[in-house]
Amino acid sequence: NAGVMQNPRHLVRRRGQEARLRCSPMKGHSHVYWYRQLPEEGLKFMVYLQKENIIDESGMPKERFSAEFPKEGPSILRIQQVVRGDSAAYFCASSPGASETQYFGPGTRLLVL
Amino acid sequence: EDQVTQSPEALRLQEGESSSLNCSYTVSGLRGLFWYRQDPGKGPEFLFTLYSAGEEKEKERLKATLTKKESFLHITAPKPEDSATYLCAVQAAGYSTLTFGKGTMLLVSP
Repeated sequence: NAGVMQNPRHLVRRRGQEARLRCSPMKGHSHVYWYRQLPEEGLKFMVYLQKENIIDESGMPKERFSAEFPKEGPSILRIQQVVRGDSAAYFCASSPGASETQYFGPGTRLLVL
Repeated sequence: EDQVTQSPEALRLQEGESSSLNCSYTVSGLRGLFWYRQDPGKGPEFLFTLYSAGEEKEKERLKATLTKKESFLHITAPKPEDSATYLCAVQAAGYSTLTFGKGTMLLVSP
């Protein structure tokens, strides 16, 4: 049973470009969460989605960031016009239901030059 | 606002030297407290969930305990392969998201 899949594992972008991070949840999981881990910082919640719905986006910056979890296909975290401060590890987690144990993927490490 | 503080930030042990990691928390109604292990360059790996004060859970050399204000992760006779960063997170009642501490980096020397 495959775990949470994230791709790409590493992503390099120049300032002003767009970054698209993908997350496929574990089989049978319909709840997806995105977290960001900055150097020397803990994991910070960004957004929580269920199929076709954003449940909680209170941790996501209002500008340049967006997330979706379509009926078919992976969840996508999109960062427009990236800046150096966006460089971080972005982790996706999934759970079978709300408030259940979250299982994490390997992360996407974004580097903005 | 929910807060999680982990101590120490880093801990170095000799193989076989038992110790404990601390996780202090403030949350508006605790639904669950979670422990994860994170190896360098990887995602957090789930270890335990604790739901109520007095609860204990064990897995191999690890035992997690919970009080109303803090949780401890006890490591008995650690081995070098236990070296990792251990993360504590809380989930507030009525919410699904996790609030994490900054972690304790554990290094076990042979």
